[in-house]
Amino acid sequence: DVKVTQSSRYLVKRTGEKVFLECVQDMDHENMFWYRQDPGLGLRLIYFSYDVKMKEKGDIPEGYSVSREKKERFSLILESASTNQTSMYLCASAEVGPMNTEAFFGQGTRLTVV
Amino acid sequence: AQSVTQPDIHITVSEGASLELRCNYSYGATPYLFWYVQSPGQGLQLLLKYFSGDTLVQGIKGFEAEFKRSQSSFNLRKPSVHWSDAAEYFCAVVDLSNTGKLIFGQGTTLQVKP
Repeated sequence: DVKVTQSSRYLVKRTGEKVFLECVQDMDHENMFWYRQDPGLGLRLIYFSYDVKMKEKGDIPEGYSVSREKKERFSLILESASTNQTSMYLCASAEVGPMNTEAFFGQGTRLTVV
Repeated sequence: AQSVTQPDIHITVSEGASLELRCNYSYGATPYLFWYVQSPGQGLQLLLKYFSGDTLVQGIKGFEAEFKRSQSSFNLRKPSVHWSDAAEYFCAVVDLSNTGKLIFGQGTTLQVKP
């Protein structure tokens, strides 16, 4: 069965801390994504990676960075956490083809910054 | 710019009643469209997807959706709702680059009355 695993379901961090959110997929997908989910706003793309060490900014990259050292692992980094980064974070990996594109999501990490 | 709109933020239906969740998109080509469901505290699960062909698409859990190009819509339907269908529903479209990046609507929260 297809699997995307996020290392934490819940995190509480202090303002100014450096925060790492980890995501691992077991499907050998090249494309991986980090989304942020907020009520009334749906999911918004933070960063996208299409290969090891390759990344692209999404719609809301400010305050975030990413790391993709291995194909299966995609990390989201909050350089200096702030309270406005309190949110649900969802990782996804995607199978991409001309007639069969599908994204698979992890369970999400609910981050609270105090 | 590509966009997805879900006009209804919150819908309440009685158990056993029919359901229709609306989704409208703005897109420059033939869209790849998806409906996802998110139960409380969970990640996103794919209900169904449309790429081409038959405009009425069947999904899991008894859901179906109809693609109407003339109306730029992809509404989700279920003939008889169960209490376990209470969740948040997201409509999404793959962006034009077809890298697996998804553009999401704002989401519709479904409440089911006994």
